[in-house]
Order: sequence, then structure tokens, then C-alpha cells
Amino acid sequence: GDSVTQMEGPVTLSEEAFLTINCTYTATGYPSLFWYVQYPGEGLQLLLKATKADDKGSNKGFEATYRKETTSFHLEKGSVQVSDSAVYFCALGTNTGNQFYFGTGTSLTVIP
Amino acid sequence: NAGVTQTPKFQVLKTGQSMTLQCAQDMNHEYMSWYRQDPGMGLRLIHYSVGAGITDQGEVPNGYNVSRSTTEDFPLRLLSAAPSQTSVYFCASSYSMTQGTDTQYFGPGTRLTVL
Repeated sequence: GDSVTQMEGPVTLSEEAFLTINCTYTATGYPSLFWYVQYPGEGLQLLLKATKADDKGSNKGFEATYRKETTSFHLEKGSVQVSDSAVYFCALGTNTGNQFYFGTGTSLTVIP
Repeated sequence: NAGVTQTPKFQVLKTGQSMTLQCAQDMNHEYMSWYRQDPGMGLRLIHYSVGAGITDQGEVPNGYNVSRSTTEDFPLRLLSAAPSQTSVYFCASSYSMTQGTDTQYFGPGTRLTVL
């Protein structure tokens, strides 16, 4: 079945460090891929998305490229800030079902 | 637009009690869903609806009921609360789910504790 596997956390980085959070997927149809972010005490909100292979989603300095050959959608940011501390979820939606599939989430803490 | 609203924000129940978690959206979205979030398990889908009058089960439906009488509202009912239902509950909506491309909009969550 459809599923998403993302990198275990927690991740702790110093400010201005480079961030990568790995995400791989399994899907039977043609999935769209998403990264959501959850700040403390809040609901999830969309960070970026890509709806077809080779698309790059980007927002707030974060980027992720939809790689069909490696079934991956890794999240990257060149220089993290303290305000990026949050939990990040990789997610998948397909045209063959009626539900989204979320990864388990990766907690990121950025220290000054 | 208020987006997706949920009430209450916090709730404490005793085992065996019933209650309804409210969810409403003002974006005219067809698709609505309920998730629970537990440490180390991410988000798990409880129930979803693709339109008024249509609901279906997700991954963890046992102990929960839903109905969708209007496009705007999608309440989640706990029939007889158990400690295993202690969790944070999120309601989400999107314009549709037919292509899987639409952004899901989440409410702020309800933190439920069952004693």
C-alpha cells in the first residue's frame, strides 16, 4: 500500500547549519508529495509541495525535489534559524485513494 | 476566512463518558478528515468525508463515529471514552481528494485526556 518513511529524529542543529530531512515513499498511483510543518502548540501547515516528478517545491528557504527514480522527496535548507524549530512531516496524496499518508514526523531544534 | 476551527481546545473525560469534538470550515471544501496524533506515531486517519452525506473509515476508526450533514461541519463522536483515546485530535479539510494534489488545511487541534 501507499506509505511514507521519513528520517527519525530528533535533530539538533546550530543556527546557520545545513538541514536535510530524508523522506522516501511507496505509491501505486501518481502521487503528489508534501512537506508540512507543525510549530509548538499548533496544527500542521503546508510548507511546500510537488505534484509531479522532477518538480521542485520551495518556500521560506526550504526546498524539496520530487525524485521518481529514487522515490524520494528530501527536505533541505541551506541555513537554518532558531525560528525553524518545529516538527516536519512528509506526506503523500494519490489519485487512486481518498486519503493522505503522513510520515511519523521529524523534530528539529535549532540552537543559537 | 476563519479556516478550520475546532472546539474545544482541551478536554478531560472519565472512562466511559461520551463527547463530541466539533470541526467546521468556511472554505467550501468537499473533503474533511479527522486524525489523531500520538508520540512517535505521526498522524493516523480516523474517518474522512468526501462530501456532505458521505463518510468512510480511515486507519483507526474503532471507538469513533462521524457524520457530515453539511459541507461546513464534520463532528467526531467518542462513544465511550477509553484511556487509549488520550491524544491530540486534528481536523483537516481540502477542496477535494480526487487527484491527491490539494493542500490540506488543519485546525489547531483538541488535546483530549481520558482518565
